[in-house]
Amino acid sequence: DAKTTQPPSMDCAEGRAANLPCNHSTISGNEYVYWYRQIHSQGPQYIIHGLKNNETNEMASLIITEDRKSSTLILPHATLRDTAVYYCIVRPSGGYQKVTFGTGTKLQVIP
Amino acid sequence: KAGVTQTPRYLIKTRGQQVTLSCSPISGHRSVSWYQQTPGQGLQFLFEYFSETQRNKGNFPGRFSGRQFSNSRSEMNVSTLELGDSALYLCASKERAEQGGELFFGEGSRLTVL
Repeated sequence: DAKTTQPPSMDCAEGRAANLPCNHSTISGNEYVYWYRQIHSQGPQYIIHGLKNNETNEMASLIITEDRKSSTLILPHATLRDTAVYYCIVRPSGGYQKVTFGTGTKLQVIP
Repeated sequence: KAGVTQTPRYLIKTRGQQVTLSCSPISGHRSVSWYQQTPGQGLQFLFEYFSETQRNKGNFPGRFSGRQFSNSRSEMNVSTLELGDSALYLCASKERAEQGGELFFGEGSRLTVL
């Protein structure tokens, strides 16, 4: 069963920040939050991950609430190429694990 | 480094047949996992292999099987194909299975069962 809840779809104007929320209220202390995206019919692409601190890389920023029950992926300046399905998943840091993807958020960047 | 390579990219089979899909992980990656993606069910975990041993398995019938070779390449097999097996089958690799870390996905093998 998916451990995360995401809105099914969102729109964002090109050039504006896209803020994609994810709820993971049952996250355990050793579970990381990972974000992936999937552009139509391609394999999912890793974006970013974090444990409890906010993280930033060249693609995006990840904001995790203090209680770790939710997070937000921020694409600072969305482009048309960011149109994709975005998946938020939680995974433990060790062991052999089933990776459960939810249904994700379909982000449509509008010109 | 070359990415994760899956073959074939597209294939068409008929009900009752079997199919074998291949996945070559990124060089140095020893963990390979497989996923089935359908419009109705989304991305579902099939199984994960590390050091030629299946380490975890999703909720799929026994018709779905896999294996991993000593060079970390992996194959999955689906026997007695059903119409509902039509899907995009994705393979992902990561360096080690014991730790977390990002998964690197291939482009997938799109199977159509007629």
